[in-house]
Amino acid sequence: EIVLTQSPGTLSLSPGERATLSCRASQSISSSYLAWYQQKPGQPPRLLIYGASTRPTGIPDRFSGSGSGTDFTLTISRLEPEDFAVYYCQQYGGSPPYSFGQGTNLEIK
Amino acid sequence: QVQLVQSGAEVKKPGASVKVSCKTSGYTFTSYGITWVRQAPGQGLEWMGWIAAYNGNTNYAQKFQGRLTMTIDTSTITAYLELKSLRSDDTAVYYCARGLTPWEIPHHLVNEYWGQGTLVTVSS
Repeated sequence: EIVLTQSPGTLSLSPGERATLSCRASQSISSSYLAWYQQKPGQPPRLLIYGASTRPTGIPDRFSGSGSGTDFTLTISRLEPEDFAVYYCQQYGGSPPYSFGQGTNLEIK
Repeated sequence: QVQLVQSGAEVKKPGASVKVSCKTSGYTFTSYGITWVRQAPGQGLEWMGWIAAYNGNTNYAQKFQGRLTMTIDTSTITAYLELKSLRSDDTAVYYCARGLTPWEIPHHLVNEYWGQGTLVTVSS
């Protein structure tokens, strides 16, 4: 089973700043099958990135993903007030379970 | 538009079973898979399993083997999750989600559309 470790646990930033969130896997993720989700209180997750770096239609281009193998990054280039939320990475390569990281809480400084 | 509408909140006693439904609309049901994810209060997301709506094939997380059953009903385009022998630590919001792409295409396990969630409370 692949374990995903996200860091930091909490990130305190101000609107307009750049956010860098990390997701490290316990073993290499095949074909960069890594997704990122955003979740706000009381809502289901929202897909931001899949295939490590591809944005679905409708996701603003301030969100970008990068990485391969075991190290992946979600970058938010310039934080908007609505970006403060919890972010999860998920791997979906190889065999199940298709685990999630424990989350990074992005809070307003 | 694609919609997944889940059944309402449930309160169950330890040892009981719960069955949560996920009614879909707005797309060809049998072309996509459905994933079930749960979230305990104040905790992160936990992947439970996936079902191919085309033929009902399933993949379950090992920790739920023997207690979890995922099914589909193509006549009502609804997916179901049944969890047996409930314990207090099964208290969570249960989500269904549809895959990003049709099931035979890469990235079909990415969850693009989500239901609103169903709170299942297990308490004596």
